[in-house]
Amino acid sequence: QKEVEQDPGPLSVPEGAIVSLNCTYSNSAFQYFMWYRQYSRKGPELLMYTYSSGNKEDGRFTAQVDKSSKYISLFIRDSQPSDSATYLCAMSGQTDSWGKLQFGAGTQVVVTP
Amino acid sequence: DADVTQTPRNRITKTGKRIMLECSQTKGHDRMYWYRQDPGLGLRLIYYSFDVKDINKGEISDGYSVSRQAQAKFSLSLESAIPNQTALYFCATSTRDRAQETQYFGPGTRLLVL
Repeated sequence: QKEVEQDPGPLSVPEGAIVSLNCTYSNSAFQYFMWYRQYSRKGPELLMYTYSSGNKEDGRFTAQVDKSSKYISLFIRDSQPSDSATYLCAMSGQTDSWGKLQFGAGTQVVVTP
Repeated sequence: DADVTQTPRNRITKTGKRIMLECSQTKGHDRMYWYRQDPGLGLRLIYYSFDVKDINKGEISDGYSVSRQAQAKFSLSLESAIPNQTALYFCATSTRDRAQETQYFGPGTRLLVL
């Protein structure tokens, strides 16, 4: 069983809708949680970073972490066609070391005009 | 100019051939990584290096080797390529940034082993 599970999609939504993405994990040692966005034929880029449980908001993006349920979410409000990409969750249990990341498989999102 | 560059961007090779993928960075980061990405499996760590004299195996290092020629350069070699090494390969760099460590990825090398 993978340490990090993520639905591969594709997830198709109309422009302006809310996109809801999530990942589940099994390792209770994970403390750092990230969302990366990957456009076609590009490398992943960091979108959101959260530590431990709680919510974090950045513009149209909100990341939530529920450590008790081992579940993290990313919400995209007022989605735009430019949000069409693959979104990967990543997490790490290291604190003062180098950040070995475990990635989900990625969810492909398509926002249609 | 891109901060993390990879060469070549695309490569087709035959089973048994030795090939090298190269990564260069201008970010001044001390840490560098090699990942492979496969559909349905996400990104998996092959090797990582914290500085020029430090090399560590990742999750899937068998069949691969690396060389850290300088702080800015990190190469990945496939000793004898096999078809199941067909994948998208990414180099990444990082440095500690206060409380978080962000990894910056290159554009990737698409490798096909026939």
